[in-house]
Amino acid sequence: AQSVTQLGSHVSVSEGALVLLRCNYSSSVPPYLFWYVQYPNQGLQLLLKYTSAATLVKGINGFEAEFKKSETSFHLTKPSAHMSDAAEYFCAVSEVNTGFQKLVFGTGTRLLVSP
Amino acid sequence: DTAVSQTPKYLVTQMGNDKSIKCEQNLGHDTMYWYKQDSKKFLKIMFSYNNKELIINETVPNRFSPKSPDKAHLNLHINSLELGDSAVYFCASSSHFHGGDTEAFFGQGTRLTVV
Repeated sequence: AQSVTQLGSHVSVSEGALVLLRCNYSSSVPPYLFWYVQYPNQGLQLLLKYTSAATLVKGINGFEAEFKKSETSFHLTKPSAHMSDAAEYFCAVSEVNTGFQKLVFGTGTRLLVSP
Repeated sequence: DTAVSQTPKYLVTQMGNDKSIKCEQNLGHDTMYWYKQDSKKFLKIMFSYNNKELIINETVPNRFSPKSPDKAHLNLHINSLELGDSAVYFCASSSHFHGGDTEAFFGQGTRLTVV
């Protein structure tokens, strides 16, 4: 079975600082990987996804993630944090079974942004 | 126009009661899901339906019964509610695709509190 591990349940940065949220995956086949964001009291919104087309994936709101097979990682970064980036971030891997997929989520990382 | 909508947004009920959560998507997707997010923000799939047919059932207690009257709707009925059922329940949908890289669209969630 596939899984993802997110290191750090909380990450705190100052506004304008680099954001780095870590995600490592475990998969016996080439994975499809996703980052979702959850703002307070809202549903999940897709930030970006890796589908093997390119190892550096650009998403919405200035986020990007790099797929590194050698490190089994898919870390999420943003050069300069904004107050509005404060949210819960989830890494997920797509598990495909008999043609249908389900998302297996990591435990999430809460990003705190201070002025 | 909301893509995936759930009702109600909040639900407070007593132990032993039966309750339902409704979900509708207007994206024309074939596949719908129920995910449960516990108090530690961990997200786990419960069910998946494709064109009204149950595809995934992740060892959820029999007290939980999903019903899909048509491919745009997936309701969740819960019998004999227990304290441990308190969580946020998310409905999601995606287009039927074998590749596994399909984005899932999430509703805003239903916060269920059992007292």
